[in-house]
Amino acid sequence: AQTVTQSQPEMSVQEAETVTLSCTYDTSESDYYLFWYKQPPSRQMILVIRQEAYKQQNATENRFSVNFQKAAKSFSLKISDSQLGDAAMYFCAYRSQGGSEKLVFGKGTKLTVNP
Amino acid sequence: DTEVTQTPKHLVMGMTNKKSLKCEQHMGHRAMYWYKQKAKKPPELMFVYSYEKLSINESVPSRFSPECPNSSLLNLHLHALQPEDSALYLCASSRGINYEQYFGPGTRLTVT
Repeated sequence: AQTVTQSQPEMSVQEAETVTLSCTYDTSESDYYLFWYKQPPSRQMILVIRQEAYKQQNATENRFSVNFQKAAKSFSLKISDSQLGDAAMYFCAYRSQGGSEKLVFGKGTKLTVNP
Repeated sequence: DTEVTQTPKHLVMGMTNKKSLKCEQHMGHRAMYWYKQKAKKPPELMFVYSYEKLSINESVPSRFSPECPNSSLLNLHLHALQPEDSALYLCASSRGINYEQYFGPGTRLTVT
């Protein structure tokens, strides 16, 4: 069974600075998807970024980028120019490519952005 | 449009009540999901519907009964719940099994 580990329960960053959230996973599969979801205090889970395992290029979405290291089974999220609105719980998630609709979530990292 | 809507936003019910949660999407997605989320925990998958058929039931107690009347609508019927069932219930949808899931805002359920 796949597992996802987020080793940082809490992180903080100064506004306008850069922060990196860590995520590692364990799988025997070669094809899969990885996601970062953000859940602000308003509760809604928002998809931040998605990475296909077969793609070597790291995904980017505006200020959000990932460092995907397939051999190391690592999938970290970098937030550049942090904004107050980035404060949220961030969940890393894994999904098999075929035959499974199930998302496997990490336990989450709570990010605080200090003004 | 990547919107999943859920009603009600908040629900308080007694252990003998029967209530329903509703989830709707108009993105043409063919997979829909129910999750339960306790405070400071990740969401836990409860049910998955694919093409309006139940494809995954994560051993959820029968006091939770899902229903998918059509491809846009997903219900969760609640009956004889326990206080430990109090949680945030999230609905999500995706284009298919290999696509990202989009979540609704959730229903905060309190069982008294």
